[in-house]
Amino acid sequence: GAVVSQHPSRVICKSGTSVKIECRSLDFQATTMFWYRQFPKQSLMLMATSNEGSKATYEQGVEKDKFLINHASLTLSTLTVTSAHPEDSSFYICSPDGPNTEAFFGQGTRLTVV
Amino acid sequence: AQTVTQSQPEMSVQEAETVTLSCTYDTSESDYYLFWYKQPPSRQMILVIRQEAYKQQNATENRFSVNFQKAAKSFSLKISDSQLGDAAMYFCAYDGGATNKLIFGTGTLLAVQP
Repeated sequence: GAVVSQHPSRVICKSGTSVKIECRSLDFQATTMFWYRQFPKQSLMLMATSNEGSKATYEQGVEKDKFLINHASLTLSTLTVTSAHPEDSSFYICSPDGPNTEAFFGQGTRLTVV
Repeated sequence: AQTVTQSQPEMSVQEAETVTLSCTYDTSESDYYLFWYKQPPSRQMILVIRQEAYKQQNATENRFSVNFQKAAKSFSLKISDSQLGDAAMYFCAYDGGATNKLIFGTGTLLAVQP
């Protein structure tokens, strides 16, 4: 199967700082990247969809200025949580649009804002 | 809008027994994909099984099989000969087909009793 690398796996940051999460597709090219958020004991909720070289499309209720997505290449997308606050603490998962119809997922990033 | 419903927040099964997890969905599309994903404590999303809506035959993968009822918009997962390693959160997911953008159900936490 396709290999997806998401980094860091967990991060603790102070309130007001920014955190960058990287997602790489190691053995395939991903034109599209999906970013999901998962609160404890809840389901995955799509935050945004990005296409390589263009602006991301955000789901309703997701602040585009807080969650900056860059998809500059076919193998790398980043999610930056700007001016993080405790309510941004969550589990973030990337999912590159893989070959065929199967979605692949990164290992996830557990963000804790203190 | 498409929705996915999992009505069983938690299920329990004895080791070596069979368990069925329920999933219903709502869509006006005729061509789509349905998935079951497993999320163990590591939180890595793992594809269990996939079903193409245009296929009448139910998908099977070793001990995992689905009962796909397109008219009823039902997509249940049957796990046979349950093993301790099957204990995890299971998510049903829908993909409209144009992209790999997934809509997830709320999940079912499966416990396997030795």
